[in-house]
Amino acid sequence: DAGVIQSPRHEVTEMGQEVTLRCKPISGHNSLFWYRQTMMRGLELLIYFNNNVPIDDSGMPEDRFSAKMPNASFSTLKIQPSEPRDSAVYFCASSRGAGQSNYGYTFGSGTRLTVV
Amino acid sequence: SQQGEEDPQALSIQEGENATMNCSYKTSINNLQWYRQNSGRGLVHLILIRSNEREKHSGRLRVTLDTSKKSSSLLITASRAADTASYFCATVLYYNTDKLIFGTGTRLQVFP
Repeated sequence: DAGVIQSPRHEVTEMGQEVTLRCKPISGHNSLFWYRQTMMRGLELLIYFNNNVPIDDSGMPEDRFSAKMPNASFSTLKIQPSEPRDSAVYFCASSRGAGQSNYGYTFGSGTRLTVV
Repeated sequence: SQQGEEDPQALSIQEGENATMNCSYKTSINNLQWYRQNSGRGLVHLILIRSNEREKHSGRLRVTLDTSKKSSSLLITASRAADTASYFCATVLYYNTDKLIFGTGTRLQVFP
């Protein structure tokens, strides 16, 4: 298995532009998580899905952020419009056992977003 | 606020020495997990310990859990330069087993 695949690895965009981050979870994993990592705030859980359904989006910072999971093999995190304070590394992770985190998570390599 | 706080924030040791990192948390847990993150990379799952377990081993890793003190420790024995990374504890809450909440991390530097 290729693991959790995220794209792009790096994204530099201008303030106000739309940014879309993509994630392909491990086949057979039915939970998917989006995290953001910054020096100031550490690892923050933004949103997670169980069986493609958004369960908890309380970590999404603002209405500018949205996430979708149209099928079991694909998810997107969109920021529109982007702002410099959105600069961070965004991680996608997947896990077995929707609704019960008794398994370790498998993380992607992350997308480093820089908004200038 | 963070569920898990790690101590120390940074640790420097020589190869061959043991490294101990501690994690404290605030709310009752279902399980606690440790992850490693190499610079510029994603997190890698190391070990999971359930709330009814007190100690677990995996290779050179030893994890203990004290639910009465709401704390855990990760011991890496006979450290190697390749162990240089950040180490995070993460908790699954007792009343919400859906998600994993990460601590602040310990930055470990192992000198050859």
